[in-house]
Amino acid sequence: DIQMTQSPSSLSASVGDRVTITCQASQDISIYLNWYQQKPGKAPKLLIYDTSSLRTGVPSRFSGSGSGTDFTFTISSLQPEDIATYYCQQYDNLPLTFGGGTKVEIK
Amino acid sequence: EVQLVQSGAEVKKPGESLKISCKGSGFTFTSYWIAWVRQMPGRGLEWMAMIYPSDSDTRYSPTFRHQVTISADKSSSTAYLQWSSLKASDTAMYYCARPLYSGNDYGLIAYWGQGTLVTVSS
Repeated sequence: DIQMTQSPSSLSASVGDRVTITCQASQDISIYLNWYQQKPGKAPKLLIYDTSSLRTGVPSRFSGSGSGTDFTFTISSLQPEDIATYYCQQYDNLPLTFGGGTKVEIK
Repeated sequence: EVQLVQSGAEVKKPGESLKISCKGSGFTFTSYWIAWVRQMPGRGLEWMAMIYPSDSDTRYSPTFRHQVTISADKSSSTAYLQWSSLKASDTAMYYCARPLYSGNDYGLIAYWGQGTLVTVSS
């Protein structure tokens, strides 16, 4: 299985701050990397696919970059409604695997 | 509108069997893989397995291969996840989910059910 290592596991930032989350794959996954947002008590929501493609309807303050084994997810200006846990997920190989998650809180 | 509607919460005892369901609507059910994802209390997401309802082709994560069985009924556009003998460690929220694209593009999990909470306790 491909292991996905996310960091940090949690972070606290102020409204308007730039927030960055990293995800490292245990082997080359090209650009086959997605990012999800999960709010408490809710199902996950796909935000970004293929490393950097923004899903329709997702605010442009969310972005992603990277390739190979190292990936980055960025919120350019943190908003109160962005409080959630974020997960990366690879789909280069089965089984699909997720990172451990990053819980984002407001300072 | 794409919808995945899951069956309600379950409380079971260890050793009991269980089958939970996921009914799809708003799309051609036989054209999309349907996946199951586990989330244990306070933990992350784990992909368990997926099924292609058109021909019942199934793929399992090695972690779950001998723990659960997935199936689908094309006539009712419903996918199932079942256990023959539950353990306390099966306590979790279980989501069914559908990819963004049809066919073999199963990696982008775009649509999710509301989740079914399974509690196993003596």
